[in-house]
Amino acid sequence: GQNIDQPTEMTATEGAIVQINCTYQTSGFNGLFWYQQHAGEAPTFLSYNVLDGLEEKGRFSSFLSRSKGYSYLLLKELQMKDSASYLCAWNSGGYQKVTFGIGTKLQVIP
Amino acid sequence: DVKVTQSSRYLVKRTGEKVFLECVQDMDHENMFWYRQDPGLGLRLIYFSYDVKMKEKGDIPEGYSVSREKKERFSLILESASTNQTSMYLCASRAGRGAYGYTFGSGTRLTVV
Repeated sequence: GQNIDQPTEMTATEGAIVQINCTYQTSGFNGLFWYQQHAGEAPTFLSYNVLDGLEEKGRFSSFLSRSKGYSYLLLKELQMKDSASYLCAWNSGGYQKVTFGIGTKLQVIP
Repeated sequence: DVKVTQSSRYLVKRTGEKVFLECVQDMDHENMFWYRQDPGLGLRLIYFSYDVKMKEKGDIPEGYSVSREKKERFSLILESASTNQTSMYLCASRAGRGAYGYTFGSGTRLTVV
């Protein structure tokens, strides 16, 4: 993706916690999204951060540091169904334009 | 439930054909988008529209055009399909600005032979 970086692949164990990091270009920043995409399916919206700090939604949390151009998605109590790609995306160049990272493919193993 | 519907799940077209990909949303969203998704490249924005008859180029508009005659429908047109346009095409819509995430359609896998 353009000016947005995240690891390509990660593996974690069922029941564990995993953190997926994302760095982005800080100029023109208007918010950061996380999406989940299962193989062969469309992405689904997980979270949106525009202010610094941690936003918690059940087993999933998302963190943002605007000064560092850094975000992470935290997944707790991993389940096999969490095996998917996780896409980081930032709102840039006006409110309508969202730039996606390549995505992090997470494999959850027993 | 909110829905974005893409007319075809799979399409096979020949090089040089004119191809229409249709997308309809039932949420009365102002903004609609066309992305393509390729391995190793992620989602790349082709075109978007923030109102009827309005369109803006995304990052990779070459070889594509769009049409938005009605608020609920956003069409992607490949004027003369080429093999490098073989891809997964995803339509999305979004309400207004700010914290609203995209709702994506289920995608159209286009193969150009």
